[in-house]
Amino acid sequence: ELKVEQNPLFLSMQEGKNYTIYCNYSTTSDRLYWYRQDPGKSLESLFVLLSNGAVKQEGRLMASLDTKARLSTLHITAAVHDLSATYFCAVDSGADKLIFGTGTRLQVFP
Amino acid sequence: GAVVSQHPSWVICKSGTSVKIECRSLDFQATTMFWYRQFPKQSLMLMATSNEGSKATYEQGVEKDKFLINHASLTLSTLTVTSAHPEDSSFYICSARFPGKGYEQYFGPGTRLTVT
Repeated sequence: ELKVEQNPLFLSMQEGKNYTIYCNYSTTSDRLYWYRQDPGKSLESLFVLLSNGAVKQEGRLMASLDTKARLSTLHITAAVHDLSATYFCAVDSGADKLIFGTGTRLQVFP
Repeated sequence: GAVVSQHPSWVICKSGTSVKIECRSLDFQATTMFWYRQFPKQSLMLMATSNEGSKATYEQGVEKDKFLINHASLTLSTLTVTSAHPEDSSFYICSARFPGKGYEQYFGPGTRLTVT
């Protein structure tokens, strides 16, 4: 059974700082997704990572995938308050089903 | 493109009644739709997968008689929570997928259900 773990679960960081969120999964998968969720809202797609070594960047966020290590990272550069949200990674289980990570609640303060 | 809507966005019902939630793909035909449930401050849990014209596939632990899913057309799937109880209160999110966009799922805005 595919398990997806994220850490940290909660992250409080100062504006301007850098940090990385980690997503580990237990079985082989070729597709990994990152989403953002604001309170009371649904999911916003951030990144789709489809191959080993894939790296994608959008603004202050950069995501990477290492399929051999079964690890994806979401790196935040020079955080700003607008990035405050909950971030989920999700792994395709191979049956077209997404298994979501536990989520990382990010708070950016001045 | 790839917009998914849900209706209603929020609903309050009394215990014992049934509630229907609609999920529509607005600008594409969705061969597969998924239903998720999310409790406060928790992750999304897949409830079931539905393919147009066939019975839904439910995840382990999800009562198919309680959560009725119908995928009658390529643009509409419905989730009916039958005989709702307070423990069914949750945020229900659907997603849709179609071959032209690979394997990515497009998520609806969610429906918040409160059972009193």
